[in-house]
Amino acid sequence: GNSVTQMEGPVTLSEEAFLTINCTYTATGYPSLFWYVQYPGEGLQLLLKATKADDKGSNKGFEATYRKETTSFHLEKGSVQVSDSAVYFCAQGYGGSQGNLIFGKGTKLSVKP
Amino acid sequence: GAVVSQHPSRVICKSGTSVKIECRSLDFQATTMFWYRQFPKKSLMLMATSNEGSKATYEQGVEKDKFLINHASLTLSTLTVTSAHPEDSSFYICSADQTSGGMGDEQFFGPGTRLTVL
Repeated sequence: GNSVTQMEGPVTLSEEAFLTINCTYTATGYPSLFWYVQYPGEGLQLLLKATKADDKGSNKGFEATYRKETTSFHLEKGSVQVSDSAVYFCAQGYGGSQGNLIFGKGTKLSVKP
Repeated sequence: GAVVSQHPSRVICKSGTSVKIECRSLDFQATTMFWYRQFPKKSLMLMATSNEGSKATYEQGVEKDKFLINHASLTLSTLTVTSAHPEDSSFYICSADQTSGGMGDEQFFGPGTRLTVL
C-alpha cells in the first residue's frame, strides 16, 4: 500500500546549519507530495508542496524536489534559525473530494542558538 | 490563513465514559472535515472523513459505533469517543477542507486534542 517514510528524529542543529530531512514514499500512482510543519502548541501548517515529478516546492527558505526516480521528497534549508524548531511531517495525497493524506511519522527539529 | 480550532485541547476521563471533541472552522465554511489519530512516535492515521449533512466515511479498522462523528454544520464537526478505554488514549487531530474538490493543500488543521483515559 501507499506509505511515507521519513528520517527518525530528533534532529538537533546549531543556528545557521544546513538542514536535510529525508522522506521517501511508496505509491501506486503519482501522488502530490507535501511537507507540513507543526510548531509547539499549534496545528499542522502546509509548508510546501509539489504535484508532479521534478517540481520543486519552496517556502520560507525550505525546499523539496519531487524525485520520481528515487521516490523521494527530501526537505532542505541552507541556514536554519531557532524559530524553525518544530515537528516536520512529510505526506502524500491525491486530489478529489476526499483529499486523503498519508503522513510520515514526523521529525522533530530543535535549533540551538 | 484559515483557522481551525479544537475543544478541548486536553481531556482526562474515566474508563467507560464518553468524550466529545469539537472541531470548528472559524473563518471559512468546511465542506469536508477529517479526523486523524496520532500515536506517540507514529504518523497521523486518518480515521474518518465527514461531509456536512451526510454520514461519515470511516477508514478500515475504525469502529464507527465507537467513534461517532457528526458534521451538523459547515463550521462544526464533533467526534465522540463512546465508552472510552485506556487504549483510546491518543492525540486526536481534525482538519477542514474549504473546497469540495480540494487537494491536500486545502486542508487546515486544528491544534489537536490530547485524550487520556484512566
